[in-house]
Amino acid sequence: DTGVSQDPRHKITKRGQNVTFRCDPISEHNRLYWYRQTLGQGPEFLTYFQNEAQLEKSRLLSDRFSAERPKGSFSTLEIQRTEQGDSAMYLCASSHRTAYGYTFGSGTRLTVV
Amino acid sequence: DQQVKQNSPSLSVQEGRISILNCDYTNSMFDYFLWYKKYPAEGPTFLISISSIKDKNEDGRFTVFLNKSAKHLSLHIVPSQPGDSAVYFCAASADGGATNKLIFGTGTLLAVQP
Repeated sequence: DTGVSQDPRHKITKRGQNVTFRCDPISEHNRLYWYRQTLGQGPEFLTYFQNEAQLEKSRLLSDRFSAERPKGSFSTLEIQRTEQGDSAMYLCASSHRTAYGYTFGSGTRLTVV
Repeated sequence: DQQVKQNSPSLSVQEGRISILNCDYTNSMFDYFLWYKKYPAEGPTFLISISSIKDKNEDGRFTVFLNKSAKHLSLHIVPSQPGDSAVYFCAASADGGATNKLIFGTGTLLAVQP
């Protein structure tokens, strides 16, 4: 297992378009997290899954954002009607239930033009 | 409202000397603290952690100190090496392991000069 994999690494999109990102966690990890990082800031929590259940969502996750983890394995994060303020690095992480020390992926850098 | 604060955006240290990175927090409910290291174009990498019931945790060259009364923690790296040059994030959790959701600081860029 090579760690947490995110695809694509970079995405440039026009304002108003929809985008979808994929995260493949470490296979035995049952917890999966999405974070967003903007320039000069630390990662900010967006949402969390335990297996296939989405158990918590941040108020940062407006109704234009949706995340799924259909079979408790990979996850997708979709942003509809993108805005320039959505430009950020989107980070996925996974962990065992009892572990605080997540493993992060390398992120997907989104640029909305 | 920034619950986890890293007030030094950057730090420069000579190779072989000690690096001390600081972090302050405001939420007294935080019960677990972590440090992550981040290289450019990579995701953060977990470095070391400490529970609120302890005041020190050591792992090789890395030691984290927690002062609960001051709501302050620090990461010591001894001796510092050029490969330690990265952005260091302090993070904290307040939910007793229910979700392990983390609140991150804004990071400190450490530059270790050869």
